[in-house]
Parts: sequence; C-alpha cells; structure tokens
Amino acid sequence: EVQLVESGGGLVQPGRSLRLSCTTSGFTFGAYGISWFRQAPGKGLEWVGFIRSKAYSATSEYAASVTGRFTISRDDSNNVASLQMNSLKTEDTAVYYCTRRHCSSRSCYVDYWGQGTLVTVSS
Amino acid sequence: NFMLTQPHSVSESPGKTVTISCTGSGGSIASDYVQWYQQRPGSAPTTVIYEDNQRPSGVPDRFSGSIDRSSNTASLTISGLKTEDEADYYCQSYEASNLWVFGGGTKLTVL
Repeated sequence: EVQLVESGGGLVQPGRSLRLSCTTSGFTFGAYGISWFRQAPGKGLEWVGFIRSKAYSATSEYAASVTGRFTISRDDSNNVASLQMNSLKTEDTAVYYCTRRHCSSRSCYVDYWGQGTLVTVSS
Repeated sequence: NFMLTQPHSVSESPGKTVTISCTGSGGSIASDYVQWYQQRPGSAPTTVIYEDNQRPSGVPDRFSGSIDRSSNTASLTISGLKTEDEADYYCQSYEASNLWVFGGGTKLTVL
C-alpha cells in the first residue's frame, strides 16, 4: 500500500524556519517525483513545488509565492522528502500535503496524497 | 497568466447527473492536461481524473472528464450521484508546462 506521511508541522513565528518531512512506503521512492501542495484555512489548493526523481537530476520547480524561501529535497536511501521553509510569513499558514508525482510518457500528475500537516505562522 | 475558473457551488439530487465546469483564461485549456481532485470535508484530496479523462484505479466509472476546445472548458461529470460524492472538487492544469495551476474549487452538495 502506497503511503505518504507528513510530519514537522506546528506553530512558528514570522521570519523563522521550519522543515517538513514526508516519509513514504509501499513504492520505489527513487522512481518518483514528489510534489508539495498547501491549503490555507477555508481556502483552495495551492501548488508549492516539486522535485523530480534522480533519473531527471532531482531538479525542482517552485511556485512564485515561495521561490527563494522554500526548498524541496529528497533522501532516496531513507525514502523521505523534505520541504525546508525559511523566512516564513503569516500567509504561509496552511495544511501542507506531500504527494507522489507520477510521470508517464504523456504527462506528470499526482496519484497519491498524504494526510497533511498544519503549519501556523503567528507571533 | 493562465487561470482556471470554477463555479463556487453546485447542487443536485441523489441519482442525478451533475457537471462541474473549469474554464481557462489566458491560454488554451487544451494545451495541457487537466486533472480533477475530490476533497471530502475534513479529509485530504484524492485524484479522481487525470490526463483530461482518465480514472485512477478505484475511482468508479460514474466519474468522467472531458475537454471542450470551443468554450475553453474542462468538465467533470458525475452520474448516479451518491451522498458520498458531496465534496469540494478542484480542477488543475499547468502554466509553462512546469507550473501547476488550480481552479478555485466547487462545492458539490448532494441534496
């Protein structure tokens, strides 16, 4: 069974940093990319960014709202992806979801979602 | 910038068919694939349609997706509505191939 479990959320002050982890199981982690999404309280879904598999040089892409502040990384030996969030703002308050990025010859799309972890940025 | 616009809410009775629209602006809806996600209250999203009209395993064939190039609109159709289909539905596509874009979401109420 494919599983993605986020951890590391919590309350953090504006300007500080937080690191989220996405621990996975049930699939060959190294063969897949990982995408992160977020959802502010009562709002819709927002794409944060993704990291490709090492077959594609583990390169990453980010939404404009987090570029330069957030970094996604991966540890294929431990089947874990991470989202490093720096210079946090109150508008970064959201539930953060880790997802598996499935790529076919035609496109890449999300096929599995984690349950999410809440990040609250407040003084 | 490419944007996706969904109706804020739709409602329909059990057993009926409902269609949720997702209209593109600032580009062609057909230039890249559209996905649809279901999010039941208090739960994480799940993928119900990928690549315009493909269903992941486990998603019933009551769910279908389509693209209308003439109206620049993607649609999610749910037939034989069940109370368990009551959820928020989000469409998603891409800008510049790598940047993901979401619609604002549609709340489906099954009366």
